[in-house]
Amino acid sequence: QVTLRESGPALVRPTETLTLTCSFSGFSLTTTGMCVSWIRQPPGKALEWLARIDWDDGKYYTPFLETRLTISKDTSENQAVLTMTNVDPVDTGTYYCARHSAYDPYYFDSWGQGTLVTVSS
Amino acid sequence: DIQMTQSPSSLSASVGDRVTITCQASQDIYKYLNWYQQKPGKAPKLLIYDASNLEPGVPSRFSGSGSGTRFTFTISSLQREDIATYYCQHFYSLPPAFGQGTRLEIK
Repeated sequence: QVTLRESGPALVRPTETLTLTCSFSGFSLTTTGMCVSWIRQPPGKALEWLARIDWDDGKYYTPFLETRLTISKDTSENQAVLTMTNVDPVDTGTYYCARHSAYDPYYFDSWGQGTLVTVSS
Repeated sequence: DIQMTQSPSSLSASVGDRVTITCQASQDIYKYLNWYQQKPGKAPKLLIYDASNLEPGVPSRFSGSGSGTRFTFTISSLQREDIATYYCQHFYSLPPAFGQGTRLEIK
């Protein structure tokens, strides 16, 4: 059974760095073709893809936030970590991690329950 | 980047109605279009992948069609448990983008 769970601070001050951890089970990021993405959702708004890390340590970011994001993985701990620097109130929202493949068919087949992050002073 | 435009943004229908949502891509995405259902406070759930393939375990009243730039998602007979927001999402290239969502309500 595949499970993912996001963890991190519920409240972050503007200009600080946000670090989110996705802990997963039921699959491994050492398996060829396996990927984990981070996706966020501001309150009442649509989903927005942020970043992806692949089994071969390939890393991809949304161009809009590329300078502020870093994604990494710890395969021994089955975790994927996203850091976002210089956060702003517009970064408030629920952050999800999701599993997918680098090969066709492409879809997010398993998601974490999400973690709500509020950016406020 | 490829933009996804969903319509309508909200929809009210009665139990038993046929419901259709459309999604248009800003360029050709071939078959690489997925549909998700999101209930309040929950993570999205995959319903349809590659435009028309039903994810195992998803009721057959859900279906998808289309290719290229225009796609359709249909619920053949709306049930109360289908109340949710539905999102299309392309996976043709990076970044994979979602539509704005369609909020479905019971009339």
